[in-house]
Amino acid sequence: GESVGLHLPTLSVQEGDNSIINCAYSNSASDYFIWYKQESGKGPQFIIDIRSNMDKRQGQRVTVLLNKTVKHLSLQIAATQPGDSAVYFCAENMWEGTALIFGKGTTLSVSS
Amino acid sequence: ETGVTQTPRHLVMGMTNKKSLKCEQHLGHNAMYWYKQSAKKPLELMFVYNFKEQTENNSVPSRFSPECPNSSHLFLHLHTLQPEDSALYLCASSQEQTAYGANVLTFGAGSRLTVL
Repeated sequence: GESVGLHLPTLSVQEGDNSIINCAYSNSASDYFIWYKQESGKGPQFIIDIRSNMDKRQGQRVTVLLNKTVKHLSLQIAATQPGDSAVYFCAENMWEGTALIFGKGTTLSVSS
Repeated sequence: ETGVTQTPRHLVMGMTNKKSLKCEQHLGHNAMYWYKQSAKKPLELMFVYNFKEQTENNSVPSRFSPECPNSSHLFLHLHTLQPEDSALYLCASSQEQTAYGANVLTFGAGSRLTVL
């Protein structure tokens, strides 16, 4: 079936830089998208979500952008900190209320 | 206890053993999920329970048997597993599984399973 994918498996940045993590999805019927962060030894934690009727949503130091034309989702992290080092997953959900479908994940490494 | 708690955190079992994974949520949610997380693969949905009723079984082999006695507890019974079943098994819960599709999941820390 269709699934969410990510462009890059790893991303390395310096502390203080802005990070951009990308995700391409293939299911045009997807209505809702979420970004999760998974630190080592922990389960995924919710970061931010966005509905398909929006193209941008901001949280604390994070922004999610949705481009439905090219089916692209991105997570921007401002002033990246060492504590942001983790695996980041995007996930999609379709209108029918099925459970979230996850992409493979991008490992973000932040060096001081 | 708060959030979603999974036990045991680590489990090693032989292919002929029978074991169970347990999940408990203290969030008042009505939907619970099992996901499998293998290295270099996306999280794979296994089972969904909504108000104690199984609503999804994602073609999971019968050697995995879920049980949801109430909205707060979810079990995954394991029997005659294969080495390729070794993975991190994640439990999650959400308010409910709605037609909106806005199922924000809260995950437990996972149970790391190794099958010898």
